[in-house]
Amino acid sequence: SQTIHQWPATLVQPVGSPLSLECTVEGTSNPNLYWYRQAAGRGLQLLFYSVGIGQISSEVPQNLSASRPQDRQFILSSKKLLLSDSGFYLCAWSGGTGGEYFGPGTRLTVT
Amino acid sequence: TQLLEQSPQFLSIQEGENLTVYCNSSSVFSSLQWYRQEPGEGPVLLVTVVTGGEVKKLKRLTFQFGDARKDSSLHITAAQPGDTGLYLCAGDGAGGTSYGKLTFGQGTILTVHP
Repeated sequence: SQTIHQWPATLVQPVGSPLSLECTVEGTSNPNLYWYRQAAGRGLQLLFYSVGIGQISSEVPQNLSASRPQDRQFILSSKKLLLSDSGFYLCAWSGGTGGEYFGPGTRLTVT
Repeated sequence: TQLLEQSPQFLSIQEGENLTVYCNSSSVFSSLQWYRQEPGEGPVLLVTVVTGGEVKKLKRLTFQFGDARKDSSLHITAAQPGDTGLYLCAGDGAGGTSYGKLTFGQGTILTVHP
């Protein structure tokens, strides 16, 4: 069966510091991968998605970037965090049809 | 402008009551999914509907996709406290073309009191 991992689970970082969140998927090959941000426990905003290694599409101009160095690894990064980057970050994968499967999320607080 | 409008945004009911959550759009979707999310966790996929008029049942939950594939509803019968959570609808392929990217509604926070 497929599983998706995210770490860390929680993170508190000062403004201006770098960020690296990692997501890995097991049990599937060539998944579509997604990074979302969720504010105040409501709807999800798609940040990046990837259909293959090195292929990243950005949905929203922002302070963040994403990379996919391996087939089942997706990384969300920032060189300098802003207060507005605080939120709940979710990674998800899909096989292309039939819905997406989410990781447990990372709660990021920028102070 | 939100592509997918969910209503109501908040729902507080007593155990045993029935409820319906709606998800509406002016766009046509190739498929639509419903998710349930608990605080501090990722959303969990409940169902995917792909055919206009399709009805799917999952125990006490009934999901319907509109004939025109622009709207959907989630009906819960005899709600239980364990149903409490955030319910999200998400559409794939707005405009009839599947891109593999979902558009999410803003969610409905359901609280079921014992």
